[in-house]
Amino acid sequence: DQQVKQNSPSLSVQEGRISILNCDYTNSMFDYFLWYKKYPAEGPTFLISISSIKDKNEDGRFTVFLNKSAKHLSLHIVPSQPGDSAVYFCAASASGFDNNNDMRFGAGTRLTVKP
Amino acid sequence: NAGVTQTPKFQVLKTGQSMTLQCAQDMNHEYMSWYRQDPGMGLRLIHYSVGAGITDQGEVPNGYNVSRSTTEDFPLRLLSAAPSQTSVYFCASSYSIGSPTYEQYFGPGTRLTVT
Repeated sequence: DQQVKQNSPSLSVQEGRISILNCDYTNSMFDYFLWYKKYPAEGPTFLISISSIKDKNEDGRFTVFLNKSAKHLSLHIVPSQPGDSAVYFCAASASGFDNNNDMRFGAGTRLTVKP
Repeated sequence: NAGVTQTPKFQVLKTGQSMTLQCAQDMNHEYMSWYRQDPGMGLRLIHYSVGAGITDQGEVPNGYNVSRSTTEDFPLRLLSAAPSQTSVYFCASSYSIGSPTYEQYFGPGTRLTVT
């Protein structure tokens, strides 16, 4: 069962415009969410995270929004740059003693930023 | 710091062969994990460890063994390789399960093909 879903396999935007990557989850126990960025032939690298007690977290050009009632989060990149072209993974985990402390990832969205 | 290192980078196995994928980290991280990445499936957790001597199963553990005798090393063993284990394998580590962040640092990956 895919508990974390990224329904758009790919996204193409023009340099300077906003990129919006979406992620949905089904497990209401998830309370920590992360975005990772992956270039070809490299491992994923951490980009930004958000706890369920917040609805927004910003780091430079990257902002993550969390809508708990809709079980939806999104990553906004403004302005988009060609170097942002990569695969973006959404991930979620559930903390707490009774949880496995494992992390579930979405299938990824390939972002292409055109010059 | 070298971060998270993985060897080998590429490997071809015949069905039924066994092998060990090596993973090491020099950040003194307590938490280490193994993921596999398959097209359209994202990253799926195989096994993880919250400290030396402690391991647990993730989402897809069948056909794999792990051990954690030191903080630095977390090898993944394929007991009898099957074509379904053709995948890219990533090792990751993070400071602590109990820390405010679940950010994980990933190795560069091992691309395994089983024929």
